[in-house]
Amino acid sequence: AQRVTQPEKLLSVFKGAPVELKCNYSYSGSPELFWYVQYSRQRLQLLLRHISRESIKGFTADLNKGETSFHLKKPFAQEEDSAMYYCVLWGAGKLIFGQGTELSVKP
Amino acid sequence: DAGVIQSPRHEVTEMGQEVTLRCKPISGHNSLFWYRQTMMRGLELLIYFNNNVPIDDSGMPEDRFSAKMPNASFSTLKIQPSEPRDSAVYFCASSFVVNQPQHFGDGTRLSIL
Repeated sequence: AQRVTQPEKLLSVFKGAPVELKCNYSYSGSPELFWYVQYSRQRLQLLLRHISRESIKGFTADLNKGETSFHLKKPFAQEEDSAMYYCVLWGAGKLIFGQGTELSVKP
Repeated sequence: DAGVIQSPRHEVTEMGQEVTLRCKPISGHNSLFWYRQTMMRGLELLIYFNNNVPIDDSGMPEDRFSAKMPNASFSTLKIQPSEPRDSAVYFCASSFVVNQPQHFGDGTRLSIL
């Protein structure tokens, strides 16, 4: 069955520290993977998708098919990165959201 | 384009009442999604439409929930009868095609007393 797992509900780091939000998926085919972000009191919005292989706001995510992971990384966290992050898988007509990880960046 | 428009922004009603949430997708988008967000369960996909046709409604919690998309520019999510456990923020999103990035509305904050 398709599944997306974000093992951390809450991740707290200090400003300037590296951050990695973990995402593991279970899917037998070739998935499309996305990261969405929801800042406080704002709409959910797309952060990045694996096929575009771009860096948005300093964040990157590499699809690792061997480990079935799509971790989101940023080398130096900023306070404005504090938000809720969702890993999303699209495959075989199904859209699967992870449970979300709340990132808190402390000054 | 004003983006995805949801109404009302807030709704407070008593249990047992019918609740109707509305969504206007971005013009030209062919896919529309309804989500529910709670502290306990996070973000859940309830149902999505492609070209006005419901494709996957496996996330709809029970028969009290129904969703329609009578045309390409309008969708409703109805709860009848409503219960306190339905209290949540309900989001609507649309995308050009189903596996493309989605644009979300501001959500409807629903409180059932």
